[in-house]
Amino acid sequence: EIVMTQSPATLSVSPGERATLSCRASQSVSSNLAWYQQKPGQAPRLLIYGASTRATGIPARFSGSGSGTEFTLTISSLQSEDFAVYYCQQYNNWPITFGQGTRLEIK
Amino acid sequence: EVQLVESGGGLVKPGGSLRLSCAASGFTFSSYSMNWVRQAPGKGLEWVSSISSSSSYIYYADSVKGRFTISRDNAKNSLYLQMNSLRAEDTAVYYCARAYLKTFDYWGQGTLVTVSS
Repeated sequence: EIVMTQSPATLSVSPGERATLSCRASQSVSSNLAWYQQKPGQAPRLLIYGASTRATGIPARFSGSGSGTEFTLTISSLQSEDFAVYYCQQYNNWPITFGQGTRLEIK
Repeated sequence: EVQLVESGGGLVKPGGSLRLSCAASGFTFSSYSMNWVRQAPGKGLEWVSSISSSSSYIYYADSVKGRFTISRDNAKNSLYLQMNSLRAEDTAVYYCARAYLKTFDYWGQGTLVTVSS
């Protein structure tokens, strides 16, 4: 099983600033990496797939990069609605696995 | 508009059974693989099971293999999860999710399963 490790566990950033979230895979997942956003009481929302392709309707301030074992989600200028928990997910191998999440909070 | 609506959750005793359903609308259900993903209270996301569009391919997480069975009825636009031999650690919100390249592009709102005596 591929273990996905996200860092940091909690990130405190001010609105308008840039946020950088990291995700590491225990073995290469090529570019088969997705990012999700989850707000309290809501289902997750797909943000990024293929490591860097934005899903339908996702604002351009969200960008993903990386391949192999190291990945980054960048939010260029944080809006109030972006404070949430973010999960990475690998889909290169079965079983599909998620990272433990990064909580993005208002500084 | 894509809609996924789960039902069937509730309180069940350890060792008991429950069947979850997911009603899909707004897309051609028979063309998509479907999934169950769960989230224990206050915890992260855990993939549970996937089924291909024609039910030819089925996958399970090790944590549920042999106890849970995923199925679908394309004529009824419905996805199911039969859960047997339930344990306390199966307590979670269970989400139905549509597959896109083995990511999950649409999710239901979830149904809560609580396993407790």
